[in-house]
Amino acid sequence: DSGVTQTPKHLITATGQRVTLRCSPRSGDLSVYWYQQSLDQGLQFLIQYYNGEERAKGNILERFSAQQFPDLHSELNLSSLELGDSALYFCASSVAGTGMNTEAFFGQGTRLTVV
Amino acid sequence: GIQVEQSPPDLILQEGANSTLRCNFSDSVNNLQWFHQNPWGQLINLFYIPSGTKQNGRLSATTVATERYSLLYISSSQTTDSGVYFCAVPAWETSGSRLTFGEGTQLTVNP
Repeated sequence: DSGVTQTPKHLITATGQRVTLRCSPRSGDLSVYWYQQSLDQGLQFLIQYYNGEERAKGNILERFSAQQFPDLHSELNLSSLELGDSALYFCASSVAGTGMNTEAFFGQGTRLTVV
Repeated sequence: GIQVEQSPPDLILQEGANSTLRCNFSDSVNNLQWFHQNPWGQLINLFYIPSGTKQNGRLSATTVATERYSLLYISSSQTTDSGVYFCAVPAWETSGSRLTFGEGTQLTVNP
């Protein structure tokens, strides 16, 4: 158990819908990362938050947004879903946001299926 | 950005065999992580290894940062070792960081 908790584990939804994925980081970790793993794209970085602030951004679609709350949990919102958004979404956390102490620990992932 | 290449892409072993997985990266890094993704999709931390050698049971890893590569050794492989092995290196930005992953090595261990 990595200590990172993601919910839900599985999600099936229809095209055009909106979903929210939730992540609780390891105790003491201030940084949260979101990654997407699809069959044809591998593991892709989406966005990073550190202590409530956005710190780094990858190729995250405009239909996707995220935030980190004062209790440090994070949510990834996916809207106007398309079939191509079907993927495994991972959350990871680390102590620091940059520099040393950025060893990342991953949650079990949320498997999103858009039908 | 930094490029990460892993080899071989696929590896099939008989139980009890040893193997070496390689990770090359295109720029200097201050740390490197190895992960095992099991058949259920879970990403498990194996090593956080900026340089040198670390061992954990039947697994060990060596990173030679000056030559930009890392090796993961699996000895006496077991069927439960099957899955995809990823290496990942950080790309640091002004105020944040991200991990760049290689494409992975798909390992199958047959009984």
